[in-house]
Amino acid sequence: QVQLQESGPGLVKPSETLSLTCTVSGGSITDYHWSWIRQPPGKGLEWIGYVHYSGSNDYNPSLKSRVTISIDTSKNQFSLKLSSVTAADTAVYYCASLIDNAFDIWGQGTLVTVSS
Amino acid sequence: DIQMTQSPSSLSASVGDRVTITCQASQDISNYVNWYQQKPGKTPKLLIYDASNLETGVPSRFSGSGSGTDFSLTISNLQPEDIATYYCQKYSGVPRFTFGQGTKLGIK
Repeated sequence: QVQLQESGPGLVKPSETLSLTCTVSGGSITDYHWSWIRQPPGKGLEWIGYVHYSGSNDYNPSLKSRVTISIDTSKNQFSLKLSSVTAADTAVYYCASLIDNAFDIWGQGTLVTVSS
Repeated sequence: DIQMTQSPSSLSASVGDRVTITCQASQDISNYVNWYQQKPGKTPKLLIYDASNLETGVPSRFSGSGSGTDFSLTISNLQPEDIATYYCQKYSGVPRFTFGQGTKLGIK
């Protein structure tokens, strides 16, 4: 059973870079595509982007200029970097597997607050 | 961009009721729609994929239908544990993945 766990700072200062890592356990990171999704407090879901171990990726155009999603097969991890953050980037960030265009397995989510 | 308009934004129904949530795409997206359930304080869970296919382990009272621009999620025989927010999600066009605004379902 594949499980995902997000990790990273819960507080980031405005204008800095948000960095999160998702560790995949119970399966190989080469099996699927992997995605990041966020949810501002009390609001809906927003897809951020995905990565595949082959190097392919895709990002939401609304965030593309600030986002990098990378993968480390040796550690069975993938990571999110979001630069130049503002309060609008405050959200619960989820990592998820992307299987046949569906977000099948989700991490528990981690709240990241942007504040000085 | 292809927009997904979900309605209603909230509704209340009684145990045993039949409930329908709809999602309308701004362009034809074939059957490229999934549905998720998010219970309060929990992670979203995939219910329906490719518009009408029930994910393994999901109760059969959940069903999905639609193609083109109009899609629906139906819960027959509503149960108390179905209290949640439901999201549609498309996987076509730009951006590749977009969620609907969500429908918050409560019990009367």
